[in-house]
Amino acid sequence: GNSVTQMEGPVTLSEEAFLTINCTYTATGYPSLFWYVQYPGEGLQLLLKATKADDKGSNKGFEATYRKETTSFHLEKGSVQVSDSAVYFCALVQGAQKLVFGQGTRLTINP
Amino acid sequence: SQTIHQWPATLVQPVGSPLSLECTVEGTSNPNLYWYRQAAGRGLQLLFYSVGIGQISSEVPQNLSASRPQDRQFILSSKKLLLSDSGFYLCAWSVWRVQPEAFFGQGTRLTVV
Repeated sequence: GNSVTQMEGPVTLSEEAFLTINCTYTATGYPSLFWYVQYPGEGLQLLLKATKADDKGSNKGFEATYRKETTSFHLEKGSVQVSDSAVYFCALVQGAQKLVFGQGTRLTINP
Repeated sequence: SQTIHQWPATLVQPVGSPLSLECTVEGTSNPNLYWYRQAAGRGLQLLFYSVGIGQISSEVPQNLSASRPQDRQFILSSKKLLLSDSGFYLCAWSVWRVQPEAFFGQGTRLTVV
């Protein structure tokens, strides 16, 4: 079945550092890919998405590119802020099938 | 616009007591509905998944059950809570024919004591 693997956390960075959180997936066909963010005590919010190969999703300075050849959807941000501290989840869905999540990566940004 | 309501926000229940968490969606029809649980510091565990009224898929055999009495209502229940049922419960919806992403409620923090 479909699955998502993302890098182990926690990740700790200094403010203004470059961020990469790796995400790879296993799926037949062409799933839609997502990054969700969860702030403490809250539900998940959609951060960005890509629905076909080579699409780039972007939002709030974050970017991720749908790479079919490497089955990856890595999350990047050029300069992180303290307010970016949260848990980040990579996910995929294929048609009417259930949404599948990675295990989450906790990110802490120090001032 | 679509909204999702999940309640209560927090709940403290004794071991052996029943549970009922409710989730409703407004502004859409025929959504897929999900219940997830998140243990402290852990990832998301899919508990139940529904594609229509009365259609429930159970992902993990355990002490919980789910029902969908109406198109936009999803209820998570237990007859007798265990300590291990403590966690953060999240409801979500999606309409895959319109857009692939799912949208989440604010969650219910359940503590079983």
